Amino acid sequence: QSVLTQPPSVSAAPGQKVTISCAGSNANIGNNYVSWYHQLPGTAPKLLIYDDTKRLSGTPDRFSGSKSGTSATLGITGLQTGDEADYYCATWDSRLNEVVYGGGTKLTVL
Amino acid sequence: EVQLVESGGGLVQPGGSLRLSCAASGFSITNYWMHWVRQAPGKGLVWVSRINPDGSYSNYADSVKGRFTISRDNAKNTLHLQMSSLRPEDTAVYYCVRDLNIAGADYWGQGTLVTVAS
Repeated sequence: QSVLTQPPSVSAAPGQKVTISCAGSNANIGNNYVSWYHQLPGTAPKLLIYDDTKRLSGTPDRFSGSKSGTSATLGITGLQTGDEADYYCATWDSRLNEVVYGGGTKLTVL
Repeated sequence: EVQLVESGGGLVQPGGSLRLSCAASGFSITNYWMHWVRQAPGKGLVWVSRINPDGSYSNYADSVKGRFTISRDNAKNTLHLQMSSLRPEDTAVYYCVRDLNIAGADYWGQGTLVTVAS
């Protein structure tokens, strides 16, 4: 069971907007930066967002990150079929002294 | 071009040992924290270990503490993970990653599969 809680799956139609939540605690999200990754089947994860809201160079501005208290959210607008992937949040946990990941969310673009 | 290439994975019996290596190119690992992250088949990402730029500090996930040792050879631009007392639950693809800011890893290798089975 992951320290960070994500919904197992989300779906939306092409062109629509979707949000993926990541819930944690003061030991992790509440006091540390959050990163977001996506992973296409059979490939390594790729960093999309770091420091809660910053897009890595090359990340389309359709992707955005936000945080409030002990929860973080990844938003994706103008959904494309190529966005279908697994999405993971990650942060440092000050109590565990470990990097912790969410369980992952499978995005389906209907 | 930044590249991380893992090697050393394979099939090992429970209780056995394996040493993973990660060859970096396109940048000097001397300037970066480096991590190992693993992913069991069909499962999510799990952090394993990290090491600071000069190799003087490292820490581990509780699940591997005392069994795995991370190390680095900055002169050879290489990261290692020595794994011992392997268990079936250690079966996973192991990724070498470059640290951008602790939980933000901006470059990942392609991964190397470790299978622990009799």
